[in-house]
Amino acid sequence: KAGVTQTPRYLIKTRGQQVTLSCSPISGHRSVSWYQQTPGQGLQFLFEYFSETQRNKGNFPGRFSGRQFSNSRSEMNVSTLELGDSALYLCASSLLPGLNYGYTFGSGTRLTVV
Amino acid sequence: KQEVTQIPAALSVPEGENLVLNCSFTDSAIYNLQWFRQDPGKGLTSLLLIQSSQREQTSGRLNASLDKSSGRSTLYIAASQPGDSATYLCAALGTYKYIFGTGTRLKVLA
Repeated sequence: KAGVTQTPRYLIKTRGQQVTLSCSPISGHRSVSWYQQTPGQGLQFLFEYFSETQRNKGNFPGRFSGRQFSNSRSEMNVSTLELGDSALYLCASSLLPGLNYGYTFGSGTRLTVV
Repeated sequence: KQEVTQIPAALSVPEGENLVLNCSFTDSAIYNLQWFRQDPGKGLTSLLLIQSSQREQTSGRLNASLDKSSGRSTLYIAASQPGDSATYLCAALGTYKYIFGTGTRLKVLA
C-alpha cells in the first residue's frame, strides 16, 4: 500500500518566484492537511482540504494557498517567495478529517529560497 | 489555546537503557494524541496513536500512555538501540489540526 507521496523532494527557488508543491494521499484517504516545519517555529498547520474544499486554514499570509482535486490529490502554492519560506513542507492524509482517524505524513518537500 | 511541551529537549543514553519521553498539553479537549519519529531531514513516521477514550497503546518495544485529566502523555522505549536515535514528536489532535510539541532529540550510544 503506497504511502503519502510528495513531489518534488527538494526545490531551490529565488526570492520573488512562486512554487507549487504536490501531494498524493494514501488511496482512499480524502482529507489532506499541510504543515510547515522550520527550526525556529517547529511544525505549524497551513491548511486542510476535504472533498475539494478548504475546511480550515492556519495563520499564514495569503501568499500561501492550496487546492484539492477530485481524486483527493492536493497542491499548495506559495507566491512571491521570501527567504523565511525556506522550510520542510509536509503533507498528511487521513480517511476523514479530524476526530479519531489520525494522519499519515509524507516525506516532505524541502524548499530553499535564495 | 493548546500548547504542547516536551521534556527533555535532548537525551543521550547508552544502548540497552529503558527510557521515558514526556509530553504535556494544556487543553484536555483533544481527540487523540499521536507520537511520531523524525529522522534528520525526513518526514514524520507515526509510532503510536492513542484515541481520546484510550489510556495506552503498545507496539513492540514502545508503549505510550495518555492521561487527559492531567494533560500528560509518556512514551516508554524499552531496551533502547542505536537505531532508535531520532527526534520524537508528540502531537495533540484538536478540532481539525495537530498541535505539535518541539520534540525530544534522542541519541542512543552503542
